[in-house]
Amino acid sequence: EVQLVESGGGLVQPGGSLRLSCAASGFSFSNHWMTWVRQAPGKGMEWVADINQDGSGIYYVDSVKGRFTMSRDNAKKSLYLQMNSLRAEDTALYYCAKRRNGALDSWGQGTPVTVSS
Amino acid sequence: DIVMTQSPDSLAVSLGERATINCKSSQSVLHSSNNKNYLAWYQQKPGQPPNLLIYWAFTRESGVPDRFSASGSGTDFTLTISSLQAEDVAVYFCQQHYNSPHTFGQGTKLEIK
Repeated sequence: EVQLVESGGGLVQPGGSLRLSCAASGFSFSNHWMTWVRQAPGKGMEWVADINQDGSGIYYVDSVKGRFTMSRDNAKKSLYLQMNSLRAEDTALYYCAKRRNGALDSWGQGTPVTVSS
Repeated sequence: DIVMTQSPDSLAVSLGERATINCKSSQSVLHSSNNKNYLAWYQQKPGQPPNLLIYWAFTRESGVPDRFSASGSGTDFTLTISSLQAEDVAVYFCQQHYNSPHTFGQGTKLEIK
């Protein structure tokens, strides 16, 4: 059974940093693109970033470019999102998801990030 | 960026009746190299992460009931629930993965009438 478990969320002041992690199990992690998606309270979904199988290709939504860094460790079957210079508008539930046939076929339960003073 | 626009924003349908949700992309998501539409549909129930229903615009994900179907190509897509069940109450999203950023529609909230 595919499992994705996010961690690392919390309350942080504007301008602060957080590092999210996603532990994967139940599938061949190194064979799949992975994605971070966020959902602000009461809002829709926003795709944040994608990473290819070996980490050599990473793509970000414009609003996080230069502030967020996505990475992966295939040996540890883990995905990461380093978030710097956080803003109030980054407040959201952050999901990691597995890609198959381009779509997101498995999702974690999410980790909440709140940016507030 | 490709803008995904869903309609309606909310929908109330009687049990056993048909529900139809539309999704329009600001540019075509049909890839000429493989003739596939890079469009997926998701269902999100309260307090849960989204669940993939449909990929490549009309291919049902394994385990998804056959009352869910989808159609469309290019820029216009439709998700249909043929006979609404109580457990189908949710928010439905479309997403394109043709170009980064892989944008989502704003969501359609489906309720029982």
